Amino acid sequence: DQQVKQNSPSLSVQEGRISILNCDYTNSMFDYFLWYKKYPAEGPTFLISISSIKDKNEDGRFTVFLNKSAKHLSLHIVPSQPGDSAVYFCAALSGTYKYIFGTGTRLKVLA
Amino acid sequence: DTGVSQDPRHKITKRGQNVTFRCDPISEHNRLYWYRQTLGQGPEFLTYFQNEAQLEKSRLLSDRFSAERPKGSFSTLEIQRTEQGDSAMYLCASSSGIVVSPLHFGNGTRLTVT
Repeated sequence: DQQVKQNSPSLSVQEGRISILNCDYTNSMFDYFLWYKKYPAEGPTFLISISSIKDKNEDGRFTVFLNKSAKHLSLHIVPSQPGDSAVYFCAALSGTYKYIFGTGTRLKVLA
Repeated sequence: DTGVSQDPRHKITKRGQNVTFRCDPISEHNRLYWYRQTLGQGPEFLTYFQNEAQLEKSRLLSDRFSAERPKGSFSTLEIQRTEQGDSAMYLCASSSGIVVSPLHFGNGTRLTVT
């Protein structure tokens, strides 16, 4: 039972353009969402989060949008840079401590 | 802040052997997690500690798996009688006691069971 889904396993974007990574969830009780970036041979690194009381959170080049009615969140990276090439995971907080992760989207930014 | 440290980084073992991994969380974090990641999948929750108390253990963990966190500091994850299906990246993460705080991950221990 995959409660957090990332339906696009991979995405390629030209340097300087916008990257949009998508994530869907099934449990309407989730109220805190996060995005992580993972390079090979490293652990996931926290990028940005959003609470369900907001619909947008921005941090530099990274913006997360939350659509609660659609149970959908997205991560926008503008402008995309070659160093952004990594696997991106979305995660949701279930209850008070358990984080549930999606299967990831591999982003490749082409120079 | 030295980050979350995991040891060893890599472990190759033969089927049937026991292995133990260690995690040192960020010092002021009282929450500690173990996750497992296999190829093409996201991190899967294994177990959670608040201080020294193990509050949840996933159904993914068979009786061959045991985790401890003595004195609420470092944690160990032991796998007894390893099987080839145990081959994965084992990730440790910690977070502060604030309810909505992100997890900080270590670089993981990659286990290969031959």
